[in-house]
Amino acid sequence: QVHLVQSGAEVKKPGSSVKVSCKASGGTFRTYAITWVRQAPGQGLEWMGGIIPMFGTPNYAQKFQGRVTITADESTSTAYMELSSLGSDDTAVYYCARDNSGDPKQTYFFDYWGQGTLVTVSS
Amino acid sequence: QSVLTQPPSVSGAPGRRITISCTGSTSNIGAGYDVHWYQQLPGTAPKLLIYANTNRPSGVPDRFSGSKSGTSASLAITGLQAEDEADYYCQSYDSSLSGSVFGGGTKLTVL
Repeated sequence: QVHLVQSGAEVKKPGSSVKVSCKASGGTFRTYAITWVRQAPGQGLEWMGGIIPMFGTPNYAQKFQGRVTITADESTSTAYMELSSLGSDDTAVYYCARDNSGDPKQTYFFDYWGQGTLVTVSS
Repeated sequence: QSVLTQPPSVSGAPGRRITISCTGSTSNIGAGYDVHWYQQLPGTAPKLLIYANTNRPSGVPDRFSGSKSGTSASLAITGLQAEDEADYYCQSYDSSLSGSVFGGGTKLTVL
């Protein structure tokens, strides 16, 4: 059983960056993909990108290319998502999830989810 | 505008059957990529409901079923219960975008 625990809520100023962590337990962290999905207030789900720690190379959604950085630390079984140049439309709940894909360049289904981290961007 | 199209809302009386459609294109569902479905109760993280078009994870009641044909997929819920009231999302992979895509979500109301 995989369990994902995310870092706490953040309030950020426009133009700044935020880094959200996702600590995994259960399973073999280095072999499974961690993906990041966000949900703006009252809106739907939006895929941001993911990484398989064993391969190390992240895969980003085109919309976030150049603004998002996803990393993984195998020593602590923790994945990170950093989003820069924040604007008010980045206010959202950010989720990490385990992606059942074994292919670093292709996503599959997301079977375990973190509890979500609310990031509020406000001046 | 989501890459996968779902109806914004559906409703049904307790005990009835409803379906939720998910329409894609030749770069995602129509290209043969699998469709997955998630249930999101208010204030909670999404939960995997159906994976690889028709498969239910352990613990998901058999009242929930999925299907796929051509560039579309559907989620069916039979024997509607009040606890099924939630938002439902479809998800697939898109080769043109080289990433995962979601439907806009469908809000299910149990009358």
